[in-house]
Amino acid sequence: QVQLQQWGAGLLKPSETLSLTCAVSGGAFSGYYWTWVRQTPGKGLEWIGEIKYSGRPNYSPSLKSRLTISLDTPNNQFSLKLISVTAADTAVYYCARGPPDKASALGPWGQGTLVTISS
Amino acid sequence: SSELTQPLSVSVALGQTAKITCAGDYVGSKNVHWYQQKPGQAPVVVIYRDINRPSGIPERFSGSTSGSTATLTITRAQAGDEADYYCQVWDTTICVFGTGTKVTVL
Repeated sequence: QVQLQQWGAGLLKPSETLSLTCAVSGGAFSGYYWTWVRQTPGKGLEWIGEIKYSGRPNYSPSLKSRLTISLDTPNNQFSLKLISVTAADTAVYYCARGPPDKASALGPWGQGTLVTISS
Repeated sequence: SSELTQPLSVSVALGQTAKITCAGDYVGSKNVHWYQQKPGQAPVVVIYRDINRPSGIPERFSGSTSGSTATLTITRAQAGDEADYYCQVWDTTICVFGTGTKVTVL
């Protein structure tokens, strides 16, 4: 059974860099899109971006200029870095496994990390 | 890019049927997936590829599409079905979520 476990700093100041990591266990790492999604307080889900094993990352156009998603293949992990954060980046961030064919649903998901941006 | 519009809220009496709609230009031509999200938890898929239920999801959950609208139907609604529900499609390489619907079981 595939499981995703995520971690990272939960409190940042404006202009700092948000960094999160997600570890994948119990299943194959190759062939899937490893994905980040966020949810601002009381609001809906927003897709951030993804990366495929041996592939290029794919980012949300609204975040592309500040975003890096990378793989640590030997450790079955993937990471998110978002630079120059503002209060608008305050959200719960989730990692998730995306389907290889872009025709099915996301899942499983990590447990979520609340990241608060405050001075 | 796709926009997926859902009703903000749906109320259903215990044991009755709830229908949650998801409207968008590309719904008819793309697979629609549905997620249930309970407070403080990550989303869980309840329907994938329009009509398919993952193992472990009750038969009370079903999906359908007609034209540019997809519908998630919950029959014999239970208190445990109270949650937020989101539809989702892949717009070429971009993942698009619906606006979300809060389901209240009365």
